[in-house]
Amino acid sequence: AQTVTQSQPEMSVQEAETVTLSCTYDTSESDYYLFWYKQPPSRQMILVIRQEAYKQQNATENRFSVNFQKAAKSFSLKISDSQLGDAAMYFCAFGYNNNDMRFGAGTRLTVKP
Amino acid sequence: NAGVTQTPKFRILKIGQSMTLQCTQDMNHNYMYWYRQDPGMGLKLIYYSVGAGITDKGEVPNGYNVSRSTTEDFPLRLELAAPSQTSVYFCASNSGTSAPRETQYFGPGTRLLVL
Repeated sequence: AQTVTQSQPEMSVQEAETVTLSCTYDTSESDYYLFWYKQPPSRQMILVIRQEAYKQQNATENRFSVNFQKAAKSFSLKISDSQLGDAAMYFCAFGYNNNDMRFGAGTRLTVKP
Repeated sequence: NAGVTQTPKFRILKIGQSMTLQCTQDMNHNYMYWYRQDPGMGLKLIYYSVGAGITDKGEVPNGYNVSRSTTEDFPLRLELAAPSQTSVYFCASNSGTSAPRETQYFGPGTRLLVL
């Protein structure tokens, strides 16, 4: 069974600094996708970034980037130049077909001004 | 283009009551999903549909039913509500026609409280 683990229930970062959120997963699949979703207080789930497992190059989206280590089954999210609007719950998710996606328990990120 | 819409936003049910959570998408997506999110937890898949007339169980289907008569709508039915069904419910969709494991688009969620 696929499982996703986020070991940091809460993280805090100073505005303009960099923070890294951790995620590990367990799977026997070789082809899959990984996602980071942001959930602000509005509860809307917003896609931040995604990574295809067959790609060695780490995905980047503006201030957001990932460190994908396939052998270690690790998928961390780095947020650079943190902004107050980045404060939210962040969920790591694993998907290997269109019928199943597994989510971690989330990391609550606080951004201090 | 509204994306994925859900109604109601919030509802209080008494134990044993029934209700239907509505979900509609206007992106002509084939795949639709229902998730629940318990406090402090990630999302868990309840049911999904790969097209009109086709539905299947996810990880936590007990106590729920779904139907998919049109491409746009995917209602979730709660029969005999129980306190354990207190949660936030998210509907999501994706096209499912091109790349597999593609991004899912989420609705704003429905908060349900069963007392």
